[in-house]
Amino acid sequence: AQSVTQLGSHVSVSEGALVLLRCNYSSSVPPYLFWYVQYPNQGLQLLLKYTSAATLVKGINGFEAEFKKSETSFHLTKPSAHMSDAAEYFCAVTRMDSSYKLIFGSGTRLLVRP
Amino acid sequence: NAGVMQNPRHLVRRRGQEARLRCSPMKGHSHVYWYRQLPEEGLKFMVYLQKENIIDESGMPKERFSAEFPKEGPSILRIQQVVRGDSAAYFCASSPLQDARDNEQFFGPGTRLTVL
Repeated sequence: AQSVTQLGSHVSVSEGALVLLRCNYSSSVPPYLFWYVQYPNQGLQLLLKYTSAATLVKGINGFEAEFKKSETSFHLTKPSAHMSDAAEYFCAVTRMDSSYKLIFGSGTRLLVRP
Repeated sequence: NAGVMQNPRHLVRRRGQEARLRCSPMKGHSHVYWYRQLPEEGLKFMVYLQKENIIDESGMPKERFSAEFPKEGPSILRIQQVVRGDSAAYFCASSPLQDARDNEQFFGPGTRLTVL
């Protein structure tokens, strides 16, 4: 079975500070992992994805994530937070069966203080 | 190329009524997923469809919920006899690939259902 755990339902940072959003996965097979962002009252937008190529994945808006198999982690980072980064962030793993459906974590709401 | 379209964006129903949610996938996409997001929660998979076929409905409630993706037209998620617990945001996503191993799904803006 595959699952995703996001530690911290809320993370608050100051503008310009490092952003670190945590995601740990559980999977019996090599996973495909994703980070999505959701702005208020909108759908989900893909930030980045890991599909067994480079372990350090760069995404849009300056975000990146590193796949660490030994730690079963796929944490999302950004060196310097911007006010526009305030949103809900979801980590997801693909269910590696015939449907390839996404299994989502519970989400982390990022607050950026001026 | 237009993105995934969902309508209506907001839907209000009284208990016992029917709700119909529509999803038009991106052009060229023949795979559609429906997810439900309850307040303050993550998205939960409901159903996966290809044209004229339900491939995986393991996340669908056993009663009152149904989905279709006809050869022509949008995918429809239908909820009969709605109850207050059905109030949620329903998201549709589409994918282009036959073998969606990296499964990039493109999400629509969602339909927010409120049951009074």
